Order: sequence, then structure tokens, then C-alpha cells
Amino acid sequence: QVQLQQWGAGLLKPSETLSLTCAAFGGSFSSYYLNWIRQPPGKGLEWIGEINHSGRPTYNPSLGSRVTISKDTSKNQFSLKIASVTAADTAVYYCVGGRSDSNWYWFDAWGQGTLVTVSS
Amino acid sequence: DIQMTQSPSSLSASVGDRITITCRASQSISSYLNWYQQKPGKAPNLLIYGASRLQTGVPSTFSGGGSGTDFTLTISSLQPEDFATYYCQQSYNSPYTFGPGTKVEIK
Repeated sequence: QVQLQQWGAGLLKPSETLSLTCAAFGGSFSSYYLNWIRQPPGKGLEWIGEINHSGRPTYNPSLGSRVTISKDTSKNQFSLKIASVTAADTAVYYCVGGRSDSNWYWFDAWGQGTLVTVSS
Repeated sequence: DIQMTQSPSSLSASVGDRITITCRASQSISSYLNWYQQKPGKAPNLLIYGASRLQTGVPSTFSGGGSGTDFTLTISSLQPEDFATYYCQQSYNSPYTFGPGTKVEIK
């Protein structure tokens, strides 16, 4: 099973761009769907989006066009950018590996999480 | 979007108790339902996928059931390390959505 380690800026001002990167170690990077999920302090989990094996991203419409997920297969890394952040984007952000078999799809590899705070 | 609800939102139980958490989807999701456990300050951990399939390494005291719109997570004998928050999540279609969580506390 792949291990995920993530990093990025933890304090942003409103209107700035959130940027996080996640690196995969010790597993088959290419077998995973690469996701980002966030969790506001004290609240539940929200799926942000994913990028599949062929590099096609899918985003949660709730974040509109502000989100970009990309990957660099040569480095076993993938990234998240969210433009024009507001206080509502304050959350712990997780990079997450998803896998599927012939039927099911699940998230079984999680990064350690990065708290991103948006404050002026 | 498919809306997920869970009940109860919290419960208090003792070590050794049997507990059941319910998850409901706003439309049929077949068995595309996963359960996660989250402890404070940690990332969620997959327990069950495909409604009833136990993830490798998860104790057999955990079990899942249901299909369509109604699902359950049962812990047959609560252990001290099981006190946590539990989330269901549908993987039927995107955007993949989670339930609001059930916090299991020590009585």
C-alpha cells in the first residue's frame, strides 16, 4: 500500500491561491486514483476532486472553477490548487489514494493532513 | 449530489457493548458504501468497503451491511481503541459524499 506525504503553505490571505503537493512512496502510484479531501475544523469530510490514471481530473462542482488537480507521474507526485481562497476554505486538507476493483471504489491511503488557515 | 445521513450523531457506550450505526443515502447506491474511522488529529482509516467487505487488517468485530439506501456499521464488542468518529461515504458517483459522522464516546 502506498504511503502519502504532503506539504504546502498553511497560512493564506483571502484571494490568494492555495497550493499543496503530495508525494507517494512505497507502492504502485499508477494504480491509484489521486484525490484531495478536506475537513473544516470540527466538521465533516468534503471531497474536492480526483485525477485518474490517464490524467483526467474530476472536481466537486461545489468549488466551481477554482480547483485544479494535476500530477507528475515521473516524480510520483500530485498537486492541488484552489484560487481566490476565503475563510470558508479554512480546513485540514488530505491527499488520498483511491483504489477500485471490478466493482467497488474506496479510499485507503491518506496523507497526514495539512491545516490551511485563511485569514487577513 | 447524493446526500448521506447518519444516526445517531453521537452515542455513549461501554467496553464490550455491541453498537450499530446507521447510514442512509438520498438515492439508491447499490452497495457502493464505505465506512471510515477517524480519531482526533488523525486522518480517517478505511474499515469497510462495498458495504460489507472488511478492509485488510481491520478486526472482525467490525461488520457492515445493507444495500440500496440503508446501511449499517456494527461493532460487536467495543474495545477501548474503538472510541472515535465514524463516517460513511458513497462511491456510487461523483461528487463522492460523506455522512456527517457518528461520534462514539465512552460511557
